[in-house]
Amino acid sequence: DSGVTQTPKHLITATGQRVTLRCSPRSGDLSVYWYQQSLDQGLQFLIQYYNGEERAKGNILERFSAQQFPDLHSELNLSSLELGDSALYFCASSVGPAGNEQFFGPGTRLTVL
Amino acid sequence: AQSVTQLGSHVSVSEGALVLLRCNYSSSVPPYLFWYVQYPNQGLQLLLKYTTGATLVKGINGFEAEFKKSETSFHLTKPSAHMSDAAEYFCAVSIDSGGFKTIFGAGTRLFVKA
Repeated sequence: DSGVTQTPKHLITATGQRVTLRCSPRSGDLSVYWYQQSLDQGLQFLIQYYNGEERAKGNILERFSAQQFPDLHSELNLSSLELGDSALYFCASSVGPAGNEQFFGPGTRLTVL
Repeated sequence: AQSVTQLGSHVSVSEGALVLLRCNYSSSVPPYLFWYVQYPNQGLQLLLKYTTGATLVKGINGFEAEFKKSETSFHLTKPSAHMSDAAEYFCAVSIDSGGFKTIFGAGTRLFVKA
């Protein structure tokens, strides 16, 4: 158990819909990262927050957005969903803002029908 | 642009044999280097990391990796494979380039034969 929790574990929805994925980092970690893992694209870094502020941005679509709240939990919002958004979404956390070991949550499996 | 290349999407070894998983990276600045392992239906777990200092890094479960700057490589090895090592392995690079970004390789699935 990494100490990072993600909810829900599974999510099934339809194209065009909007969903919110939630992540609680390990106690004491200030950074939260979001990743998308799919068979065709592999593991893609989406975005990082550190202590409430956006720190680094990766291959995140404009239809996706994220935020980190004062209690350090984070949410990833996916809107106007397409079939290709079906993937495993991982959240990870680390102590510092850069170069630290990341602890991964168990992931949320999103299926878009 | 920074990138990570893992040679071989699948590697198969016999139990007790040497494990060698290859990782090469490209970066214009000194990177932090990581190897993660992913077991089925689980998140990633850190095996080992290189930040600075000694270039031979020892990790969990008997794995180690050597940072070779001249070859821009960070290959993962284990002297003797166990059945429990069967998993997917990811090499990752963290680079400070307008904010730290972590780039993962495509992954190498390790099969261990009895």
